[in-house]
Order: sequence, then C-alpha cells, then structure tokens
Amino acid sequence: NAGVMQNPRHLVRRRGQEARLRCSPMKGHSHVYWYRQLPEEGLKFMVYLQKENIIDESGMPKERFSAEFPKEGPSILRIQQVVRGDSAAYFCASSLADGAYGYTFGSGTRLTVV
Amino acid sequence: GENVEQHPSTLSVQEGDSAVIKCTYSDSASNYFPWYKQELGKRPQLIIDIRSNVGEKKDQRIAVTLNKTAKHFSLHITETQPEDSAVYFCAASKNNQGGKLIFGQGTELSVKP
Repeated sequence: NAGVMQNPRHLVRRRGQEARLRCSPMKGHSHVYWYRQLPEEGLKFMVYLQKENIIDESGMPKERFSAEFPKEGPSILRIQQVVRGDSAAYFCASSLADGAYGYTFGSGTRLTVV
Repeated sequence: GENVEQHPSTLSVQEGDSAVIKCTYSDSASNYFPWYKQELGKRPQLIIDIRSNVGEKKDQRIAVTLNKTAKHFSLHITETQPEDSAVYFCAASKNNQGGKLIFGQGTELSVKP
C-alpha cells in the first residue's frame, strides 16, 4: 500500500499563475481532506470530498480556490491567480470511512509563489 | 466557532524527563482527539488518539488524558529521547462533521541530550 500520494512535492509559481496540486488517496479510501499549513503554524482545514462530491468546503477561501475528486483519478486542489500569501504547505489526507479516525496524511506539496 | 487552544508553544526538556502538552477545545460535541507529530519538512503522523468515551489511553511512553467536563486533553511523554524532538499538534473532531479536524497551534518540543 503506497499510502497517500501527493505531487508535486515542491511547486514554484509566479504571481498570477495557476497552481494544481494532486492527491491520490490510499487504496480503498474514498474520503479526501485538504489542509493548509502556513509557515510555523498549525494545519487549517480547507475541504472534504468524496468521489464526485464536495461534502464540506467551509475552510476554502471564497475566491480563486477550488477542489474536485473525480470518479477516476486523483483529487485536485486548484489555486487560480496565485498570490504570495498562498505560499504554504498543502497536505492531503484520506480515510476509509466518514470520520477522522486515524486518517493518514500525504507528504504534502510545498507551494512557493514568487 | 470551533477552536482548539494548545500550550505551551515551545517546550524544552532534558533527555529522560517527562513532557506534557495541553489542549482545550470549545465545542462540547467534539468526541475524537488525535495527536500528531511533525518533524521538520515532513508529514504529520498520528501518534495516539482518544475518543470521548475513554478518560485515558497509553501506548508505551506516550499517554493521553481527556477531561470532558473541563474540555481539555493532554499528551504525556515519559522518558523523553532526542528523537522525540518535533512539533506536536493536538486536534479535535465531532461525528457530524465527517473527518474535519480542528488543530491546535502546535508545540515545538526540544529534548536536549
């Protein structure tokens, strides 16, 4: 079992470009969560998805950010027109069932906006 | 809104001593409380968790206690070792929120040999 796979590990974007972050959950997991970690801060919940459904996006900024988890393929977190304040580590987690019990984080994508 | 406060933000102990990190939560409906360890540049890793129907749980040198009345829970590490040095995060979630976790701000633990 390869665990939760995120790519790329590091991503550099210029201000105004788009960033696409990918997350493949653990085999058999159908629940995906995205968190953002600003430098020297805790993790902040962004969005919770199941296949083809956004269940809770209460932590997503209202503009420029979107997420999807299609029937086939990885979950994608998309940030349009990136700004310097978007620089952070973005972690994805997956779980087998609805609930936070023991879910596993991926290695994260470190986004740097220059 | 939901909030988890964690203290202290930094903690330095001598090898072999114990370390205690405390968290308080605001939502009395919270019923699941995991602790994560994060080494520099790496992913958060679950080290221990506790559910609201249990007051204490222990796993070797690590223990977690929960006081539902006071809405606080604590992580206890005994016989600390240099490899315990990391940032530790507490978190809380509740049943009707799916898997959404509310994290504390983190505690940077330094164990000096």
